[in-house]
Amino acid sequence: GAVVSQHPSWVICKSGTSVKIECRSLDFQATTMFWYRQFPKQSLMLMATSNEGSKATYEQGVEKDKFLINHASLTLSTLTVTSAHPEDSSFYICSGGAGGKDEQYFGPGTRLTVT
Amino acid sequence: SQQGEEDPQALSIQEGENATMNCSYKTSINNLQWYRQNSGRGLVHLILIRSNEREKHSGRLRVTLDTSKKSSSLLITASRAADTASYFCATETSGTYKYIFGTGTRLKVLA
Repeated sequence: GAVVSQHPSWVICKSGTSVKIECRSLDFQATTMFWYRQFPKQSLMLMATSNEGSKATYEQGVEKDKFLINHASLTLSTLTVTSAHPEDSSFYICSGGAGGKDEQYFGPGTRLTVT
Repeated sequence: SQQGEEDPQALSIQEGENATMNCSYKTSINNLQWYRQNSGRGLVHLILIRSNEREKHSGRLRVTLDTSKKSSSLLITASRAADTASYFCATETSGTYKYIFGTGTRLKVLA
């Protein structure tokens, strides 16, 4: 199956700093990518839909100024958590679709810890 | 919340037994997928079932879909300790490719 990578796999940062997470589709072009957040022992919550070359669409309750999403190419989307706080500590997962196909390919996730 | 519900929330069985978990959702869907997640890891795709399908099989997995009841079930037969994980259903609505995940079932298979 298609492969999606995320970098970094885990990151620890201090409160108030910004962190960038990269999501790459390695062997397919992802016209649409999705970003999810997962708190411990909970399900995945969709944060935003990222379309190549256009602005991301955020789900209700997700602050677009805090979670900056850029989808500059068909193989790369980035999520920047700005002015991170301890409550932003979570597991962030991206997924990509290969245009017209149903299956979403998920990245391995990035564990963010804000101290 | 649009999130689907899964039950049971947690399930503990002996190796060799069958495990059944259920997913209910709220909107009309194009398809439904089941995923597995080992603790602290990413998601592994198990099965996709389309809205016009009623049942699909893959190895020891069997998925059913009842669109009239807005529900799906995942059956794992002859479970193994390695099947211990969390299982999530995810539904796609209106051709958006946007998936909404269920609350998940934590399965523990005892050797």
